[in-house]
Amino acid sequence: AQKITQTQPGMFVQEKEAVTLDCTYDTSDQSYGLFWYKQPSSGEMIFLIYQGSYDEQNATEGRYSLNFQKARKSANLVISASQLGDSAMYFCAMGGSNYKLTFGKGTLLTVNP
Amino acid sequence: DVKVTQSSRYLVKRTGEKVFLECVQDMDHENMFWYRQDPGLGLRLIYFSYDVKMKEKGDIPEGYSVSREKKERFSLILESASTNQTSMYLCASHRIYGGTSGRVEQFFGPGTRLTVL
Repeated sequence: AQKITQTQPGMFVQEKEAVTLDCTYDTSDQSYGLFWYKQPSSGEMIFLIYQGSYDEQNATEGRYSLNFQKARKSANLVISASQLGDSAMYFCAMGGSNYKLTFGKGTLLTVNP
Repeated sequence: DVKVTQSSRYLVKRTGEKVFLECVQDMDHENMFWYRQDPGLGLRLIYFSYDVKMKEKGDIPEGYSVSREKKERFSLILESASTNQTSMYLCASHRIYGGTSGRVEQFFGPGTRLTVL
């Protein structure tokens, strides 16, 4: 069974600062993928970034990067230079070989001006 | 720029009714998913499909069934709606390029907020 843990129910950050959202996972699969999503108050789910378990380099997509530490089973999302529009719920998820996703319960990020 | 569409944004049904939620994607993705999202519980997988006519149960399939007759369409069926099925339902599709070290193309639909009275 797969499990995703997001320990931060809410986070606050000042505009233009960087923020790290924590995610730890547990799986017995050797091959898996890790995903991060953003869900604004409007409700749509937006895919942000993906990391495969065999990728040696951390994934990056614009201002988003995934700090993947396989031995620690962590996949933290780093958002650089936060913007007001980054205020949203963020979900970490993982998928095994069939990419059936298990989601964490989310972290609500608030960016203050 | 249509990617994943769902038949309704809001739906109100009565207990015992049969409910159909439709999802269509235009990206030729093999994998399609139905989730429900409830406050404090995050997203939970109901069913998924990795090919036409193929389906697998997710974590909470009880009370639901699915249909995938065409690659682009994945339907969620509530055979006899109950009040505990009041929720936000999200459809998603994705494709992985090149295995686990590849890239991902994935999109969610806008969601259907279902209320069962």
